[in-house]
Amino acid sequence: EVQLVESGGGLVQPGGSLRLSCAASGFTFSSYSMNWVRQAPGKGLEWVSYISSSSSTIYYADSVKGRFTISRDNAKNSLYLQMNSLRAEDTAVYYCARDLRGGFVDYWGQGTLVTVSS
Amino acid sequence: VIWMTQSPSLLSASTGDRVTISCRMSQGISSYLAWYQQKPGKAPELLIYAASTLQSGVPSRFSGSGSGTDFTLTISCLQSEDFATYYCQQYYSFPRTFGQGTKVEIK
Repeated sequence: EVQLVESGGGLVQPGGSLRLSCAASGFTFSSYSMNWVRQAPGKGLEWVSYISSSSSTIYYADSVKGRFTISRDNAKNSLYLQMNSLRAEDTAVYYCARDLRGGFVDYWGQGTLVTVSS
Repeated sequence: VIWMTQSPSLLSASTGDRVTISCRMSQGISSYLAWYQQKPGKAPELLIYAASTLQSGVPSRFSGSGSGTDFTLTISCLQSEDFATYYCQQYYSFPRTFGQGTKVEIK
C-alpha cells in the first residue's frame, strides 16, 4: 500500500524557517517524481514544487522561488521542503504528492499544517 | 503561465442529478488534464487523468471529456458520497496550475 506521511509542520514567526519531511513507503520511491502542493485555509489547491526521480529537474512556483528548496533522499525514501523567509501567506496545509506519468498526482499524503504568525 | 477558469464555483444539486463542471484553459494543453475530488479535512483524490481516463477504482458515473482548451467533468447520477469539492489541474507545462474548485452541495 502506498503511503506518504508528512511531518515538520507547526507555528513559526514571519521570517522564520521550517523543514517539512515526507516519508514514503509501499512503492519504489526512487522511480517516481514528487511534488509539494499546498492549500491555504478555506482556499483551493496550489502547486508549490516538483522534483524528478533523480533530482536532476526541479521546478518552483513563482510565489516560493528563492525561498523554498525541494530535495529528496532516495536511500531514505524521503522528500523534503526547506522553507525560509516564511510569510503569513505561506500558511497552509502542505501535501506531499506522488507524480505519475509526467504530471498528475495519483497519491497524496494526509498533509501537515504550517502556520506563519507572530 | 497557463490560467484556468473553472465553473461554476458552487453547484447545488440533488441525489440522482446529472452534473457538469467546466474547466477552460488560457491556451491549448492537448489532453494533459486531471480531475480531483476533495472532501472536507481530507487530501484530494484522483478521479480522471489524460482528460478522460478514469483512475482505477473510481465509479463509472464519473467521466471526463475535452481537449485543447475546454474540458468537462460529468457525474451522471449524483450519489450522496459525491458531495465534495472538485478541482481540475493542467500538467502540460510548469508551473502546474489548478482550477479554483467547484463545490457540489446538496440542494
